[in-house]
Amino acid sequence: AQSVAQPEDQVNVAEGNPLTVKCTYSVSGNPYLFWYVQYPNRGLQFLLKYITGDNLVKGSYGFEAEFNKSQTSFHLKKPSALVSDSALYFCAVSPSNARQLTFGSGTQLTVLP
Amino acid sequence: EAGVAQSPRYKIIEKRQSVAFWCNPISGHATLYWYQQILGQGPKLLIQFQNNGVVDDSQLPKDRFSAERLKGVDSTLKIQPAKLEDSAVYLCASSPRLAGDLTDTQYFGPGTRLTVL
Repeated sequence: AQSVAQPEDQVNVAEGNPLTVKCTYSVSGNPYLFWYVQYPNRGLQFLLKYITGDNLVKGSYGFEAEFNKSQTSFHLKKPSALVSDSALYFCAVSPSNARQLTFGSGTQLTVLP
Repeated sequence: EAGVAQSPRYKIIEKRQSVAFWCNPISGHATLYWYQQILGQGPKLLIQFQNNGVVDDSQLPKDRFSAERLKGVDSTLKIQPAKLEDSAVYLCASSPRLAGDLTDTQYFGPGTRLTVL
């Protein structure tokens, strides 16, 4: 069965600094990997996904993520954080031959002004 | 394009009562999902529909939970009777392609926050 680990419950970063939100996964076969963001009292919003191809994936709002097969990681990054990036971030994975996504437990990102 | 609509946004009930949630997916989306998100956890899939058929309900507690998507458009999720541990946010999502195509992006509604007292 697939699983996702987000090792940090909380990440704090100063505005203008680079941010990283970590995600590692376990899956049989080739993974499909996703990042979603959740703002208070709102549903999840899609940020980006890795299906195949270039290991560096660019997504919405200046976010990007790098697929690293040897380390089974898919860390979310942004070169310069904004206060408005403060939210709950979820990583999700599915094997390419399965029907459902498995989500991590989420990382609360706080960008300090 | 209108997003996924859910109602009610909040519901408070006592244990052993019944409750129903409604979801209207994005127009034209073939696949509809219901997730349960317990506080401090990621969403967990309960049931997945393709048009009006169930694709995956392996994680749905069928003794108390039921769901339907009769006309292949909107859907209802019901809990009867509710337990304290059912307190959670219930999220509905839809995607345009057929079920099982996980290259497809899921679009989420705002959720219904259920509190069982």
